[in-house]
Amino acid sequence: AQSVTQLGSHVSVSEGALVLLRCNYSSSVPPYLFWYVQYPNQGLQLLLKYTSAATLVKGINGFEAEFKKSETSFHLTKPSAHMSDAAEYFCAVSDKSKAAGNKLTFGGGTRVLVKP
Amino acid sequence: EAQVTQNPRYLITVTGKKLTVTCSQNMNHEYMSWYRQDPGLGLRQIYYSMNVEVTDKGDVPEGYKVSRKEKRNFPLILESPSPNQTSLYFCASNRDGDYEQYFGPGTRLTVT
Repeated sequence: AQSVTQLGSHVSVSEGALVLLRCNYSSSVPPYLFWYVQYPNQGLQLLLKYTSAATLVKGINGFEAEFKKSETSFHLTKPSAHMSDAAEYFCAVSDKSKAAGNKLTFGGGTRVLVKP
Repeated sequence: EAQVTQNPRYLITVTGKKLTVTCSQNMNHEYMSWYRQDPGLGLRQIYYSMNVEVTDKGDVPEGYKVSRKEKRNFPLILESPSPNQTSLYFCASNRDGDYEQYFGPGTRLTVT
């Protein structure tokens, strides 16, 4: 069974500071990994995805994440936070199995607050 | 525009009153899923469908039903809603072989 752990349910950063959101996963097979963002009262938008190509993945809005197999991690970073980055972020894993309809297993989410 | 749509976006109902949340996608995707989002738990899969007339339970199926009579539509049915089904619900779809899922805008359900 897969699982995803996001460390810190809430993160507060100052505008212009580094954003670092931690994600660790467990999977019995090489996974695909995703970061989604949810702005207030909106659905989930894909930020970036790892699908076994380059381990450093660049996404939208200046975010990037690095897949580290040895650490089973897929942490999300952005060098300089902007007020518009205030949202909830979800890490998700897929075992690439057609069973369960390509189910994504999600972490509990991290809510980011950006202080001026 | 490629999208997943859900209706209604907000729904307040009472215990035991049957309701249906509709979901439709215009991307000709084979796979569709329903998830519920609860604080601290992330999203959990309720039901999924791999094609027309093919549906199966996800991780938290109790109290829910689904149907897939057409490829584009995947309604979620709560025959006798209870307060513990108060949640934010998302429909999602993806193409067979592509594991990125596309999500609808969500339906916030309150059962009193």
